[in-house]
Amino acid sequence: EPEVTQTPSHQVTQMGQEVILRCVPISNHLYFYWYRQILGQKVEFLVSFYNNEISEKSEIFDDQFSVERPDGSNFTLKIRSTKLEDSAMYFCASKDSGSNTEAFFGQGTRLTVV
Amino acid sequence: AQSVTQLDSQVPVFEEAPVELRCNYSSSVSVYLFWYVQYPNQGLQLLLKYLSGSTLVESINGFEAEFNKSQTSFHLRKPSVHISDTAEYFCAVRGAGGTSYGKLTFGQGTILTVHP
Repeated sequence: EPEVTQTPSHQVTQMGQEVILRCVPISNHLYFYWYRQILGQKVEFLVSFYNNEISEKSEIFDDQFSVERPDGSNFTLKIRSTKLEDSAMYFCASKDSGSNTEAFFGQGTRLTVV
Repeated sequence: AQSVTQLDSQVPVFEEAPVELRCNYSSSVSVYLFWYVQYPNQGLQLLLKYLSGSTLVESINGFEAEFNKSQTSFHLRKPSVHISDTAEYFCAVRGAGGTSYGKLTFGQGTILTVHP
């Protein structure tokens, strides 16, 4: 069964450092997403990406965040200068076209900023 | 915009007992509704979904949920739980319109713990 793959599973980084979280969506999917879950809180939408551009983003997704689909298979989330409050589980998801399809999620990357 | 409220943060039950996990939503547009499950140290997996048609939807492992438009609810039920159902369950909503790009809004999650 096709699945969304995220790497690494756990990343520890120092405050102020740049970090790139990587995702390989399901190959024929057209919509891509990043969500995050701070420990003890709900899963929050960050950004959606369609047709090689951001289609929607939340208030959380400020200038320190960026997304890219560099080679047609990977989908990355970059955080330019990490803060302690960026520590969270980050989930990538992808979805096929059509309104009656659901999003498939990866296993998540746990980011710890120290 | 949509919002989702899961009324119970934790639900402890004994094995073979019935369980109901409650979910209410608000939205100014028509919605699709989902339940995702997260087992310990794993990602989010789709448990079941309501898109249209019959308001009662079922999963392959015995869970069911009923869409109640008048009460804006989508409660999850199982008549007899197993130890292996221990997990966190998330209710989520998505606008049914064509401009939503599939963004999901999640509830706070309910931790279901099944005791022997």
